[in-house]
Amino acid sequence: QSVLTQPPSASGTPGQGVTLSCSGSSSNIGRNFVYWYQQLPGRAPKLLIYRDSQRPSGVPERFSGSKSGTSASLAISGLRSEDDAEYYCAAWDDILSGTLFGGGTKLTVL
Amino acid sequence: QLQLQESGPGLVKPSETLSLTCTVSGGSISSSDYYWGWIRQPPGKGLEWIGSIYYSGSPYYSPSLKSRVTISLDTSKNLFSLRLSSVTAADTAVYYCARASDSSCCTFFDYWGPGTLVTVSS
Repeated sequence: QSVLTQPPSASGTPGQGVTLSCSGSSSNIGRNFVYWYQQLPGRAPKLLIYRDSQRPSGVPERFSGSKSGTSASLAISGLRSEDDAEYYCAAWDDILSGTLFGGGTKLTVL
Repeated sequence: QLQLQESGPGLVKPSETLSLTCTVSGGSISSSDYYWGWIRQPPGKGLEWIGSIYYSGSPYYSPSLKSRVTISLDTSKNLFSLRLSSVTAADTAVYYCARASDSSCCTFFDYWGPGTLVTVSS
């Protein structure tokens, strides 16, 4: 069971916006940066957001990350069919001394 | 363009040792700017960090796997390796190798290999 909690599923229609959540604790999200990964079916994960809210080059501005306290969010605006994927949050945990991944949220673009 | 490629046996017997290598091209694993890590994903499940290693050889391991994991570098061949001992069916997974920024050894993975499926079965 992941210590970073993500809702298992979310959905939206093309053009809509959606926000995915990731809930942790003071030992992980509360003290360390959050990272978001997108995984398309059958593919390796891809870095989407680093250091809470930074986008790597090549990631569309439609993707944005934020953090407040012990929770983080990934917002996707103007949904497109290619956004249909699994999304994982990740953070270092100071107590465990290890990286935690959330259980993932399957985003379905209807 | 940096590329990573996992290789190794796709089938391992229970109680034996899983061994994988990650060959890096388009960049040097001797760079002080990066860590090199392993992440796995059981079929139909989420991601699990296994461990990361710095160019100097200093490793970080997942607490839950620490007793069975060894990650090492071979700078002469520009590759790094994973060994996981005493495997069981629970270790069946797609294993990914990845590069991490030195500012965050174990969470900032910006380049990934395509992954390789390892099945533990007799």
